[in-house]
Amino acid sequence: DVQLEESGGGLVQPGGSLRLSCTASGFNFLKYWFHWVRQAPGKGLVWLARVNTEGSSTTYADSVKGRFTISRDNAKNTLYLQMNSLRAEDTAVYYCVRDLFDVLTGRGPPGYWGQGALVTVSA
Amino acid sequence: EVVLTQSPATLSLSPGESATLSCRASESISSFLAWYQQKPGQAPRLLIYDASNRATGIPARFSGSGSETDFILTISSLEPEDFAVYYCQQRSVWPLTFGGGTKVEMK
Repeated sequence: DVQLEESGGGLVQPGGSLRLSCTASGFNFLKYWFHWVRQAPGKGLVWLARVNTEGSSTTYADSVKGRFTISRDNAKNTLYLQMNSLRAEDTAVYYCVRDLFDVLTGRGPPGYWGQGALVTVSA
Repeated sequence: EVVLTQSPATLSLSPGESATLSCRASESISSFLAWYQQKPGQAPRLLIYDASNRATGIPARFSGSGSETDFILTISSLEPEDFAVYYCQQRSVWPLTFGGGTKVEMK
């Protein structure tokens, strides 16, 4: 079974930093692209970033470009989101998401979601 | 970026009725559209990918259609567990974008 478990969420002051982790199991981590998607309380889904299989290529939403960094450690089957210069509007549940298919099968859309980690930015 | 507009915002229906949800893209996205279901307190679940392909384990009452800019998610006969929020999402162009969602509520 595909399992994605986020950790590292919590309360942080405006201007602060936080690093989310996502530990993956049940599949070959090396073969998939990953994403981070967030959802502010009572709001819709917003895609934030993606990383390729090697971690050598990334893409970001404009809202987080320059502040957030997506990365991965393939030896540890772990995805990360480093969040700096946090703002109140970054308060949200952050989801780690895996592509539906591996890179050889054409990737597909974001298909498997973790349960999410709540990040609250408040003084 | 590609803007996805979902309509209606809310759909009030009874179990057994059919639901038709719309998603319109601001530019052509070919068939690179997915649909997700989200229930309160849960992560989204993929229902449909590439406009019309059901994901693994998704019941046949869920079907998707459309291409280019206009897409439809149909739930043929609503079950009690289908009352939820539904999002469309495109992967044709970076950044990936989601629609604002349609809430299917019980009448």
